[in-house]
Amino acid sequence: EAGVAQSPRYKIIEKRQSVAFWCNPISGHATLYWYQQILGQGPKLLIQFQNNGVVDDSQLPKDRFSAERLKGVDSTLKIQPAKLEDSAVYLCASSLELRTGAEQFFGPGTRLTVL
Amino acid sequence: SQQGEEDPQALSIQEGENATMNCSYKTSINNLQWYRQNSGRGLVHLILIRSNEREKHSGRLRVTLDTSKKSSSLLITASRAADTASYFCATAPSGGFKTIFGAGTRLFVKA
Repeated sequence: EAGVAQSPRYKIIEKRQSVAFWCNPISGHATLYWYQQILGQGPKLLIQFQNNGVVDDSQLPKDRFSAERLKGVDSTLKIQPAKLEDSAVYLCASSLELRTGAEQFFGPGTRLTVL
Repeated sequence: SQQGEEDPQALSIQEGENATMNCSYKTSINNLQWYRQNSGRGLVHLILIRSNEREKHSGRLRVTLDTSKKSSSLLITASRAADTASYFCATAPSGGFKTIFGAGTRLFVKA
């Protein structure tokens, strides 16, 4: 079974530029998550989708971050404009269903460096 | 906000020894999970313990949960160099679908 795919794996941009990350979850998984993991910290949930609807985006900085999952499968996360403090690994995860404490399967992440 | 706080922040042991990591959290939960993260395999789910369970085993892993103290512990027995990784507790607060990760314990197992 193929795992969660993410691209790109690495991205270096300058502050105020835009960047987009792509995620393809495990086939059949209804719930998709985007996390931000700053070096030395645990993952912080940015947004959670159930199919193509948003379940939780309370910690998404909506003035600069946006995410969509239009057809309930792939998802993109965009940052516009980027700030230095956005440097982090962006992790995408998926789970089979929307259930409290559902096991999440993580992708390899995209390491973003903002200069 | 970080719900879970792991202790210690870092742990270095010899191969064959046991490793114990602790997690404390703030609000009532439905369940608690432990995840491992290393450079080779990324973030991987290890074990889940429900709020009505007190202890759970999986291979060399033993997890305990004390809801009265709002704490959990992860014990890895007979550690191996391959256990070197960061370990995170992740809580599922009651009344929602969110999972909140702690800051993690960095375990280094020396061969």
